[in-house]
Amino acid sequence: GENVEQHPSTLSVQEGDSAVIKCTYSDSASNYFPWYKQELGKRPQLIIDIRSNVGEKKDQRIAVTLNKTAKHFSLHITETQPEDSAVYFCAARRDGGNNRLAFGKGNQVVVIP
Amino acid sequence: KAGVTQTPRYLIKTRGQQVTLSCSPISGHRSVSWYQQTPGQGLQFLFEYFSETQRNKGNFPGRFSGRQFSNSRSEMNVSTLELGDSALYLCASSEDPNTGELFFGEGSRLTVL
Repeated sequence: GENVEQHPSTLSVQEGDSAVIKCTYSDSASNYFPWYKQELGKRPQLIIDIRSNVGEKKDQRIAVTLNKTAKHFSLHITETQPEDSAVYFCAARRDGGNNRLAFGKGNQVVVIP
Repeated sequence: KAGVTQTPRYLIKTRGQQVTLSCSPISGHRSVSWYQQTPGQGLQFLFEYFSETQRNKGNFPGRFSGRQFSNSRSEMNVSTLELGDSALYLCASSEDPNTGELFFGEGSRLTVL
């Protein structure tokens, strides 16, 4: 089955700096890559996703890049703010895979004011 | 639209007991997935239901089971509870059974003593 690895496990950044989280996946047939943000005690919420037919997607301060050849994708957060502090999960899925997402183990991002 | 609703939110059980967790998906969503979240393992896929049929199952023992009703509501059951079953159990629903975004509930926090 699909195996998703996420690095680093913890990331501390100064407010205003950028944060980058990288994930690798094993199944070359995976074609959907969402990122979820989970604040303490809250539900995971989708913040951005990308499909394998594009290499980059941006939404305000958040962007995701995908390298299909290397089988890795990254989340980029620019101009970080304290409310960006959370655990971020990457995931991968093959469309038609019955909504079965394979998640990375999460990355704790701490934005220092 | 109301979000995904899970009940109960918190529960404490002892080893050997069984537990039933409930999930009401977003209205109109027919795909329901269950995930187990633990600090060490992140989110792990349990199973997914669509139109009352289990379409996919993760690598969990047979003590973990589920079902879906005709109104798309779903339940999962864990029998003969073990200490290691302590976790946050998350339910997610999706409008599209194959390519859709997953919307998570707040989860049911199970503690096994």
